Amino acid sequence: DGGITQSPKYLFRKEGQNVTLSCEQNLNHDAMYWYRQDPGQGLRLIYYSQIVNDFQKGDIAEGYSVSREKKESFPLTVTSAQKNPTAFYLCASSINREETQYFGPGTRLLVL
Amino acid sequence: KNEVEQSPQNLTAQEGEFITINCSYSVGISALHWLQQHPGGGIVSLFMLSSGKKKHGRLIATINIQEKHSSLHITASHPRDSAVYICAVRSGGAQKLVFGQGTRLTINP
Repeated sequence: DGGITQSPKYLFRKEGQNVTLSCEQNLNHDAMYWYRQDPGQGLRLIYYSQIVNDFQKGDIAEGYSVSREKKESFPLTVTSAQKNPTAFYLCASSINREETQYFGPGTRLLVL
Repeated sequence: KNEVEQSPQNLTAQEGEFITINCSYSVGISALHWLQQHPGGGIVSLFMLSSGKKKHGRLIATINIQEKHSSLHITASHPRDSAVYICAVRSGGAQKLVFGQGTRLTINP
């Protein structure tokens, strides 16, 4: 089945630790996105990538990093510089930036 | 003021009622999206609109470009329609979507 997968479903981070959230898609989509969702707020864009080996910062990129070495994969690293990482993280992909985005099931990140 | 405002924030209705959720935006757009987020967190895209009206099953989405307003309607609502409904817009030439805060819909049996 085609779709987007995210792992893990829940992730716990200790103080000062970097953690990486996985996002994989087998839809052959060029564009991929990472969003953060906090209670009572709309989704906010962290990073996006329109093509392999290229990515751009979104509205809240500070404290995060990404890579796009393969078309199918767009991992997000939450670094120790992100002081308030507790949130629900959603990955999405689309054929190109103009088209409908398809979302993964999300990863909930909690700080210990 | 947010670029995308949804109303109401919360809506509770009885099964069978006709539901309307509103979205107003303040920028020129190339497309508007309606999304559905279930309690588990997963998001499904319902509609992408640039003009007029679209229908899928019991769901209808309309957009008025001049008034910068869109509505999502649900006919014959059912408890399984309970979810958060999110409006998002893409302004002309922009490479990102701007999201509303969402409307939490609860349909009671």
